[in-house]
Amino acid sequence: NAGVTQTPKFRILKIGQSMTLQCTQDMNHNYMYWYRQDPGMGLKLIYYSVGAGITDKGEVPNGYNVSRSTTEDFPLRLELAAPSQTSVYFCASSERGIQETQYFGPGTRLLVL
Amino acid sequence: AQKITQTQPGMFVQEKEAVTLDCTYDTSDPSYGLFWYKQPSSGEMIFLIYQGSYDQQNATEGRYSLNFQKARKSANLVISASQLGDSAMYFCAMRSSLDNTDKLIFGTGTRLQVFP
Repeated sequence: NAGVTQTPKFRILKIGQSMTLQCTQDMNHNYMYWYRQDPGMGLKLIYYSVGAGITDKGEVPNGYNVSRSTTEDFPLRLELAAPSQTSVYFCASSERGIQETQYFGPGTRLLVL
Repeated sequence: AQKITQTQPGMFVQEKEAVTLDCTYDTSDPSYGLFWYKQPSSGEMIFLIYQGSYDQQNATEGRYSLNFQKARKSANLVISASQLGDSAMYFCAMRSSLDNTDKLIFGTGTRLQVFP
């Protein structure tokens, strides 16, 4: 049981490039989330999904896109990377319910130069 | 609007002593959950403890306990017998039943440093 896995661990992008951050969970959770963490700050929600085929915007969705074709996978797409997207990106998953623990992946550190 | 406030950017504690990390929250929802996560320098987010708004008892998990004062809207984390490995960032977070996304709202965190 690997939990939530993310790839890559670290990436440097040039301004204007695009990339996809991968996220996979093996806990059969319906709910999945993408957060970003800027230096010295808490996590902010980018996008979330409540099940395969269903996604919606979070607090800071601009410059990102997601898809959810399977329960396990929730990739995050960055189009036209900008320096403001330099951050650490966390994927998380959970069961439905306020008492349910949200499990996080190890994070992807992205640097846009 | 829902909000989590952590007013202590940094805290120091001597090894083996207890330390309290403050967290206050704001919500109009009568049903919510409060979480604490630890983020060591390696970067991963580690779940520590959960408190439900209707729970009568304060949550405890080993050396971690949550001092839940509902009327004051505070959910402070108490770490007893601090260890050097407790040095990390600590985040308080909230989840509301009014929000069908079940997303977590995070505070800005407190950096705890444990010294010998």
